[in-house]
Amino acid sequence: AQTVTQSQPEMSVQEAETVTLSCTYDTSESDYYLFWYKQPPSRQMILVIRQEAYKQQNATENRFSVNFQKAAKSFSLKISDSQLGDAAMYFCAYRSGNTGTASKLTFGTGTRLQVTL
Amino acid sequence: DTGVSQDPRHKITKRGQNVTFRCDPISEHNRLYWYRQTLGQGPEFLTYFQNEAQLEKSRLLSDRFSAERPKGSFSTLEIQRTEQGDSAMYLCASSLEGMGNQPQHFGDGTRLSIL
Repeated sequence: AQTVTQSQPEMSVQEAETVTLSCTYDTSESDYYLFWYKQPPSRQMILVIRQEAYKQQNATENRFSVNFQKAAKSFSLKISDSQLGDAAMYFCAYRSGNTGTASKLTFGTGTRLQVTL
Repeated sequence: DTGVSQDPRHKITKRGQNVTFRCDPISEHNRLYWYRQTLGQGPEFLTYFQNEAQLEKSRLLSDRFSAERPKGSFSTLEIQRTEQGDSAMYLCASSLEGMGNQPQHFGDGTRLSIL
């Protein structure tokens, strides 16, 4: 079974600074997808960024980028120019690329990001 | 795109009662998922449907839990004889399956509190 580990329960960053959230995962599969989701307090979970394991290039979405290290099974999220609206719980998630199995997401325990002035 | 809608937002009930939650996915999405999230944890998979077929159920889904998706549209999740441990946020998500990297879109969730 796949597992996702987020070792930082809480992180803090000053507005306009850069922060990196860590995520490691364990799998025996070679084809899979990785996601970062953001869950603001009392609001719905939204997708921040996704990465296909077969792609060597790291995904980027505006101020959000990932450092995907397949051999190390590491998938960190970098937030540049942090804004107050980035404050939320961030979840790393794994999904198998095997279309014959469930397309469920396996989530980590999350990292709570605080953004200070 | 009106998003994934869940009803109710909050449900408070006494232990032993039955509860039913509803999820309306994004209209063109053929896959629908249920997750459970307890405080301080990430969501845990419960079950999912492709159209009207329930294709997988987690071991977390005890026999007190049942989910349906008649006609492949909305879905209901029923919990019978609720227990204290059922208190959680129940999240519904939907996706358009075809390419594996299609993201799941989540609803606001239903927060269940068992007295």
